[in-house]
Amino acid sequence: DQQVKQNSPSLSVQEGRISILNCDYTNSMFDYFLWYKKYPAEGPTFLISISSIKDKNEDGRFTVFLNKSAKHLSLHIVPSQPGDSAVYFCAAGEYGNKLVFGAGTILRVKS
Amino acid sequence: DAGVIQSPRHEVTEMGQEVTLRCKPISGHDYLFWYRQTMMRGLELLIYFNNNVPIDDSGMPEDRFSAKMPNASFSTLKIQPSEPRDSAVYFCASSPYWSGTGENTQYFGPGTRLTVL
Repeated sequence: DQQVKQNSPSLSVQEGRISILNCDYTNSMFDYFLWYKKYPAEGPTFLISISSIKDKNEDGRFTVFLNKSAKHLSLHIVPSQPGDSAVYFCAAGEYGNKLVFGAGTILRVKS
Repeated sequence: DAGVIQSPRHEVTEMGQEVTLRCKPISGHDYLFWYRQTMMRGLELLIYFNNNVPIDDSGMPEDRFSAKMPNASFSTLKIQPSEPRDSAVYFCASSPYWSGTGENTQYFGPGTRLTVL
């Protein structure tokens, strides 16, 4: 049973436009959510997180939105840059428990 | 800090052979995690340690998989015997002291790409 789902395997966006990556979850007990970014031949790196008590967290070009009633979160990248091309993993966790990761979405930003 | 170090970066072996993957976590981190990445299932947690003690190994797929952490600076993941379906990228990650009341941000190594022929 996949508790964290990223239903879009890939996304292609033009440079300068907005990239929106989506993530759905089933466990209402999750306390926080994270996005990780992964380049080829490298390990995932932490990008941004959000607590379940918030609905938005912003860090530069990256904003994560959380809709608890819909059990949905999204990562917005504005403006998208070619260097943003990577695999993005959504993850969720309960305090004191392990993280659960989604399958990842491949983002391609075309110049 | 050099970050999480994994070796080897690539491993090609034949079915039935023993495979040992190695990990050196970031110094001072109390938690160590082993993940497997496949196209179908994404990142799966296999096992994690706290202060060298295995806490949750529910993700270990079969008895063919075993993990140890003999000290705070070294861990191994062993597959014996290996099978073609074990082919994947295996990541090690570590995280600092985690009170359990906050977020657990993990730092990943570069991974070991395992191919079992």
